[in-house]
Amino acid sequence: DIQMTQSPSSLSASVGDRVTITCRASQSISTYLNWYQQKPGKAPNLLIYAASSLQSGVPSRLSGSGSGTDFTLTINSLQPEDFATYYCQQTYSAPFTFGGGTKVEIK
Amino acid sequence: QVQLQESGPGLVKPSQTLSLTCTVSGGSVSSGGYFWTWIRQHPGKGLEWIGYIYYSGSTYYNPSLKSRVTISVDTSKNQFSLKLSSVAAADTGVYYCVLYYDNRFDPWGQGTLVTVSS
Repeated sequence: DIQMTQSPSSLSASVGDRVTITCRASQSISTYLNWYQQKPGKAPNLLIYAASSLQSGVPSRLSGSGSGTDFTLTINSLQPEDFATYYCQQTYSAPFTFGGGTKVEIK
Repeated sequence: QVQLQESGPGLVKPSQTLSLTCTVSGGSVSSGGYFWTWIRQHPGKGLEWIGYIYYSGSTYYNPSLKSRVTISVDTSKNQFSLKLSSVAAADTGVYYCVLYYDNRFDPWGQGTLVTVSS
């Protein structure tokens, strides 16, 4: 199985901050990497697919980059609705595995 | 747009079989290119892909669960189902049905909590 490692596991930030979350795959996955946002009691919501493509309806302050084994999710000008947990996921090969999550909290 | 809704018992006894159904609206389980998927989340923890089924009936399961999992599709009801046998407390969690297409998982059902307890 491909292991996905996210860092940090949690972070504190203020509204307006720029936040960067990283995800590393245990082997090259090209750009088969998705990012999801999950709020308490809700299902995950797709934000970015294919490493850098913004899902319809997702604000442009979010962006993704990377290929191979190293990826980043960046949130520019953090908004109150962005406080949540973020997961990366590889779809390069089954079983499709997720990172452990990054909880973004209010400072 | 496709919407998914899970249903099934919220409490299952140890060693019994967990059975969940996902009802699809706004789309057809017979559509080509779509894989109907189950993902679970243990309480307070991360996400685990269980497996998926294609409309043709082809399935692919997570090897860690393969011996206990069956996913099936009912085209007449536009539903797909999950059965997980010989459950234990470690199978407690929120179970999501999800559409997989074009290398992305979207949309997700709201999720249903299943507790394994006697």
